[in-house]
Amino acid sequence: DGGITQSPKYLFRKEGQNVTLSCEQNLNHDAMYWYRQDPGQGLRLIYYSQIVNDFQKGDIAEGYSVSREKKESFPLTVTSAQKNPTAFYLCASSMTGGVNQPQHFGDGTRLSIL
Amino acid sequence: AQSVAQPEDQVNVAEGNPLTVKCTYSVSGNPYLFWYVQYPNRGLQFLLKYITGDNLVKGSYGFEAEFNKSQTSFHLKKPSALVSDSALYFCAVRRSGNTPLVFGKGTRLSVIA
Repeated sequence: DGGITQSPKYLFRKEGQNVTLSCEQNLNHDAMYWYRQDPGQGLRLIYYSQIVNDFQKGDIAEGYSVSREKKESFPLTVTSAQKNPTAFYLCASSMTGGVNQPQHFGDGTRLSIL
Repeated sequence: AQSVAQPEDQVNVAEGNPLTVKCTYSVSGNPYLFWYVQYPNRGLQFLLKYITGDNLVKGSYGFEAEFNKSQTSFHLKKPSALVSDSALYFCAVRRSGNTPLVFGKGTRLSVIA
């Protein structure tokens, strides 16, 4: 089945530790996105990539980093500089070439602080 | 800047009654609007999108949305609510081209049996 796979489903971070969230898609989509969801705040954009080896900061990029070495993969690293990382992280992808292309989402990774 | 607003944090409706989840938009140019649903601990599922010229858009699971240009609204509707419709609903807008969707803060729908 085509879709977006996020792993792990639950992740715990210790103080001063960097952690990496995985996102893989087999939809052959060019564009991929990372959002952060906090209760009552909706989804906020962290980073996005429209093509391999290129990505742009979103609204809340500080404390996060990404890479896009393969079309299928867009991992997100939450660095120790992100002081409030506890949230639900959602990865999405979409086709490019049309303003009305919907984004398709994975089932998220819930990150908590130990 | 393109944005959407969902004025209600929570909507309660009795099973079998019609439901409406509200969304207003602020865009320059043509609006590109979307509705998504999220069940607990899951990702967002696409419900429907606005296509220029269609004031009533049909989507998945019996949902539809009414576009009103004069009121800058894109309200989600369903004629008869089910308990299984209870979830978090998000309205979203695309700024332009291939840019990411911008989401509202979400509305929690509770359908009571």
